[in-house]
Amino acid sequence: SQQGEEDPQALSIQEGENATMNCSYKTSINNLQWYRQNSGRGLVHLILIRSNEREKHSGRLRVTLDTSKKSSSLLITASRAADTASYFCATGANSKLTFGKGITLSVRP
Amino acid sequence: DTGVSQDPRHKITKRGQNVTFRCDPISEHNRLYWYRQTLGQGPEFLTYFQNEAQLEKSRLLSDRFSAERPKGSFSTLEIQRTEQGDSAMYLCASSSFILRTSVNTGELFFGEGSRLTVL
Repeated sequence: SQQGEEDPQALSIQEGENATMNCSYKTSINNLQWYRQNSGRGLVHLILIRSNEREKHSGRLRVTLDTSKKSSSLLITASRAADTASYFCATGANSKLTFGKGITLSVRP
Repeated sequence: DTGVSQDPRHKITKRGQNVTFRCDPISEHNRLYWYRQTLGQGPEFLTYFQNEAQLEKSRLLSDRFSAERPKGSFSTLEIQRTEQGDSAMYLCASSSFILRTSVNTGELFFGEGSRLTVL
């Protein structure tokens, strides 16, 4: 079963714009992580936020976590064509990650 | 060691045949995970090992599926009597679990996956 639900399912933006992706989940977590997947490839870890953290930054990425609302958001600033990929949120609990269905991001040059 | 490697990358087989996938994790990682991903979906957890011990199996892992990690290094995932519904990408990932730091579920390092097509 998939715990996280990302929103929107697909997002198309112009290069240079910001992309915001949301994730909601249902049960208690230790942490929440975001991954990226290029078509036909494996997943690449982007960022991890622990359940006691509210915001975290890594380069052009900013992730927030609201445990009271069981939701997270990923912001990619100044997007590039190379950011085109699928993005997944994953909730960490009980020694494993549970992934959502993903968001398809298209960045137009 | 540059990362998690999986073999083969692609496998086409006829229904009813057996297939085996191999995963070589990052050498210092003690945890190894198998996930399955179908088109348009996120990865679904199948099973994981800590060293050579298989600690959890998903209900998705039917009797036709078996995974091993005999020496706590590489792992194999075998599917017997394949069905068309087994067609998917099988992803392996590894991580380092350190009890004293209580990092329960940290970052996973994924391989490129093994794509299975059952005709």
